Amino acid sequence: SQELEQSPQSLIVQEGKNLTINCTSSKTLYGLYWYKQKYGEGLIFLMMLQKGGEEKSHEKITAKLDEKKQQSSLHITASQPSHAGIYLCGADRYNTDKLIFGTGTRLQVFP
Amino acid sequence: EAGVAQSPRYKIIEKRQSVAFWCNPISGHATLYWYQQILGQGPKLLIQFQNNGVVDDSQLPKDRFSAERLKGVDSTLKIQPAKLEDSAVYLCASSLGVAGIYEQYFGPGTRLTVT
Repeated sequence: SQELEQSPQSLIVQEGKNLTINCTSSKTLYGLYWYKQKYGEGLIFLMMLQKGGEEKSHEKITAKLDEKKQQSSLHITASQPSHAGIYLCGADRYNTDKLIFGTGTRLQVFP
Repeated sequence: EAGVAQSPRYKIIEKRQSVAFWCNPISGHATLYWYQQILGQGPKLLIQFQNNGVVDDSQLPKDRFSAERLKGVDSTLKIQPAKLEDSAVYLCASSLGVAGIYEQYFGPGTRLTVT
């Protein structure tokens, strides 16, 4: 069973639309990372959340971590084709720098 | 600042053959990770080094996989002999972190196809 569940598995949106990707753990997390991956490439760091209730934003992307530190969401406002890719959440459960990853959400943005 | 370098980018081998991947982390990064990413899945940690010592290799199939980081800088991951199920992207990452939470920087990966 997956320790980190991501939803939805895939998402197709029209350019300009808002969207949300969720990442859920059955256990409390020490830290939660969001990465983006283009097909055939490595992972690009987006944001890291550590405190319950924390929220961070960068350009049009906002990530939140719930108070229990078991669920995170990634919200993209006014999506653009450049946002297309696979979004992965990664969790550090024990403060060891070892990450477990969700299965990813594949985002497509069409004009 | 140069990123994490990996080579080769692509490799196709037949089952039972051997293969090696190379990774050069960002200068000064103490921690180095090797991940395996099977198509449609998230990356799975294979081994974590701190300087030249192994921190965690609990998910490394040691009967066929080996990894080393002899001088605490670059690292090699070897598969010998390869199986069909080893087809995946092998990602190397590095971080400053010895303790606490540090961002992991990923290389572009090596795509391995075993036929």
